[in-house]
Amino acid sequence: DGGITQSPKYLFRKEGQNVTLSCEQNLNHDAMYWYRQDPGQGLRLIYYSQIVNDFQKGDIAEGYSVSREKKESFPLTVTSAQKNPTAFYLCASSMGTSGAYNEQFFGPGTRLTVL
Amino acid sequence: KNQVEQSPQSLIILEGKNCTLQCNYTVSPFSNLRWYKQDTGRGPVSLTIMTFSENTKSNGRYTATLDADTKQSSLHITASQLSDSASYICVVSEGFQKLVFGTGTRLLVSP
Repeated sequence: DGGITQSPKYLFRKEGQNVTLSCEQNLNHDAMYWYRQDPGQGLRLIYYSQIVNDFQKGDIAEGYSVSREKKESFPLTVTSAQKNPTAFYLCASSMGTSGAYNEQFFGPGTRLTVL
Repeated sequence: KNQVEQSPQSLIILEGKNCTLQCNYTVSPFSNLRWYKQDTGRGPVSLTIMTFSENTKSNGRYTATLDADTKQSSLHITASQLSDSASYICVVSEGFQKLVFGTGTRLLVSP
């Protein structure tokens, strides 16, 4: 898990609620990423950020929002607009701005369950 | 469509035995291929990263091979241990920014 922390480890949400997942890294990495993992599927990119105060949508950004106010922090908010939010959420970071060229280091994940 | 397919979906082997996991991809343009190990309920951990010019790379008992012509890769695990029980994910880099993830092979090492 390196120097990437995610909290909480488990999160329960009622329908209609927004929740925020925390991701912090002390690796001095430039880029950070949020992925969603569902059973039987490969990881899917939600959002990524290459520099502070800038972020880009990934393949499944609808119903999610992010911010990057500090280099070490990249919180993900799961909004009520996300119709099927129950999943395992993984945060990652990489040195440099290319997630494809540079190795990505993953956090321990947050399991979100909608009640 | 850029895809990464892994086989088998799941595998059970006896402790001490060897095994080989397969990865076929159709990703283009190709930058590199990675193998990750993911323990249940944890984040993936990198095992190897191979570029176009690398045919093989080892990390302890893990050896990855890459055939860029046939777009195939394999991960060979030697003398398996109980701690090798995990999902193994093949990931191919598409161009400069995008990663394409396989669905993984779930390995169970039985005592």
